[in-house]
Amino acid sequence: NAGVTQTPKFQVLKTGQSMTLQCAQDMNHNSMYWYRQDPGMGLRLIYYSASEGTTDKGEVPNGYNVSRLNKREFSLRLESAAPSQTSVYFCASSGPGQGTDTQYFGPGTRLTVL
Amino acid sequence: GNSVTQMEGPVTLSEEAFLTINCTYTATGYPSLFWYVQYPGEGLQLLLKATKADDKGSNKGFEATYRKETTSFHLEKGSVQVSDSAVYFCALRDSGYSTLTFGKGTMLLVSP
Repeated sequence: NAGVTQTPKFQVLKTGQSMTLQCAQDMNHNSMYWYRQDPGMGLRLIYYSASEGTTDKGEVPNGYNVSRLNKREFSLRLESAAPSQTSVYFCASSGPGQGTDTQYFGPGTRLTVL
Repeated sequence: GNSVTQMEGPVTLSEEAFLTINCTYTATGYPSLFWYVQYPGEGLQLLLKATKADDKGSNKGFEATYRKETTSFHLEKGSVQVSDSAVYFCALRDSGYSTLTFGKGTMLLVSP
């Protein structure tokens, strides 16, 4: 039981490059989330998926897209990376019911955009 | 909208000292309240939670009581250890929603 896994752990991009951050969970959770963590800002929600087949914008969705590939996997895509997207990205999941309280977090992806 | 306000850090303590990290919230409904902890280089993990007024969450010697009258959920521990050094996040989930609103986090540094 690995919980929530994220790949890659570290990534350096040049401005304008694209990439996809991968997230998978093996807890049969319905809901999945993407956050970014910046110094002094706490965690801010980018996108979430309350159940397979649905996605919704969070607090800071601009510049990102998501795909809920199946119940296990939820990916985050940066189409044209900008220095302002330098951050640590966390994926989380919760469930099985919608609105179930505890979110379980992955180890994070540290992204630097030059 | 919903918001969570935490005391700014870092909080610097000696081992065995008493810890309080203040957290207050604003919510439109009847939220559940959480404390998450993040150890260096890791993701967040749930420390404790409370789902209704006057509930007390507790775990690993940490406690927090859901105070609706003061809209607060302060984190306390009677005797901190060096291994408690981490960043602590207060969060809420409003009723009817699946998403969490986080505070900005408070870094705790415990010296021997």
